[in-house]
Amino acid sequence: GAVVSQHPSWVICKSGTSVKIECRSLDFQATTMFWYRQFPKQSLMLMATSNEGSKATYEQGVEKDKFLINHASLTLSTLTVTSAHPEDSSFYICSASGGRGSYNEQFFGPGTRLTVL
Amino acid sequence: GNSVTQMEGPVTLSEEAFLTINCTYTATGYPSLFWYVQYPGEGLQLLLKATKADDKGSNKGFEATYRKETTSFHLEKGSVQVSDSAVYFCALSLQDFNKFYFGSGTKLNVKP
Repeated sequence: GAVVSQHPSWVICKSGTSVKIECRSLDFQATTMFWYRQFPKQSLMLMATSNEGSKATYEQGVEKDKFLINHASLTLSTLTVTSAHPEDSSFYICSASGGRGSYNEQFFGPGTRLTVL
Repeated sequence: GNSVTQMEGPVTLSEEAFLTINCTYTATGYPSLFWYVQYPGEGLQLLLKATKADDKGSNKGFEATYRKETTSFHLEKGSVQVSDSAVYFCALSLQDFNKFYFGSGTKLNVKP
């Protein structure tokens, strides 16, 4: 139980295009979802926190107009990288909480590797 | 503020060696502490956790004890295997904010 999936697992796109990444909680309702970015050989950087039905809260330094987050239902959150550029290439990981176990435990998705050419 | 500090890697060990990865933290409240493991090309998997002082989390032969007096949560395993090769992240979470703070990660390489 407590499975979180991401789609796609990897994506390659041209500079200037937009890319959407989906995060789904498969067997529980996620009241809160989180989006992280991981640079090679580095730790995870929290980008934003989203609660179902409300606007996402972005961390300092994260452009909310570039990284659009939508948490339309209790099982789905999407991250759209708009007008992607090579510097946006990274590993994006989502997590979800609000289901099983302690309320502050997060369950992580497998990640999406984005490469912008 | 809130932060997690891990020992830098990579850590290279021979199979069946003893493993210790140090982790210390600073927190403004009463955190829960976690160890996550990331295998190549994959997301993070929860390895173990402890929610209050003196708790010991354990899983798959790994264990860590929540030491409030030393603000530490060191990861240990008595006999590592090649399959344990991965990156290990120490993290804390504060109940109030449901937010995680991760350490920088420690890469473990286990040689046969």
